Amino acid sequence: EIVLTQSPGTLSLSPGERATLSCRASQSVSSNQLAWYQQKPGQAPRLLIFGASSRATDIPDRFSGSGSGTDFTLTISRLEPEDFAVYYCQQYVSSPPGGTFGGGTKLEIK
Amino acid sequence: EVQLVESGGGLVQPGGSLRLSCAASGFTFSNYDMHWVRLAPGKGLEWVSGIGITADSYYSGSVKGRFTVSRDNAKDSLYLELNSLRGGDTAVYYCARSTYCSRGSCDTRAFEVWGQGTVVTVSS
Repeated sequence: EIVLTQSPGTLSLSPGERATLSCRASQSVSSNQLAWYQQKPGQAPRLLIFGASSRATDIPDRFSGSGSGTDFTLTISRLEPEDFAVYYCQQYVSSPPGGTFGGGTKLEIK
Repeated sequence: EVQLVESGGGLVQPGGSLRLSCAASGFTFSNYDMHWVRLAPGKGLEWVSGIGITADSYYSGSVKGRFTVSRDNAKDSLYLELNSLRGGDTAVYYCARSTYCSRGSCDTRAFEVWGQGTVVTVSS
């Protein structure tokens, strides 16, 4: 079973700054089936990035994903006030159907 | 509008049981893998269970043998039977949609659509 380790656990930044979040897998993620989600308190998770680097529908282009194999990155180019939330990476598979999550990175206002 | 709506959460004593439901609308439910994911207080997201279009089911190690996932394509509904509940099962439970399958081929997808969640509290 693949284990996903996210770092840092908490990231304190100011609006307008650039955020870089890391996700490291214990073994290679097949076909780059790596996704990123944003979750705010009291809300369901929202898909941001799939296939390691493709933005989901209606996601602003300040969000970008990169990486392959075991190392992946979510970058938010210029933080808006609404971007402060918890971010999770996930490896998703279809056979069998499953989806292991990383422990999350909390992005907080400095 | 594509939508998932969970129900069935509540307060239950340790050792008790509960059945969660997830009603789907706005898409062809039978063509998609479906999942349950939970968020416990102070913790991160945890994948709990998944079920394929042929009703093949899979579980995380923490719930295997205690939880049972099922689907009723005629009712566009997903279910999760929770048995032998423990305090560590206290969480918001979300259903989510992923991989699309049709005519023998599948397009592996991330968890694109989520419900709003239903709260399960295990306490005496």
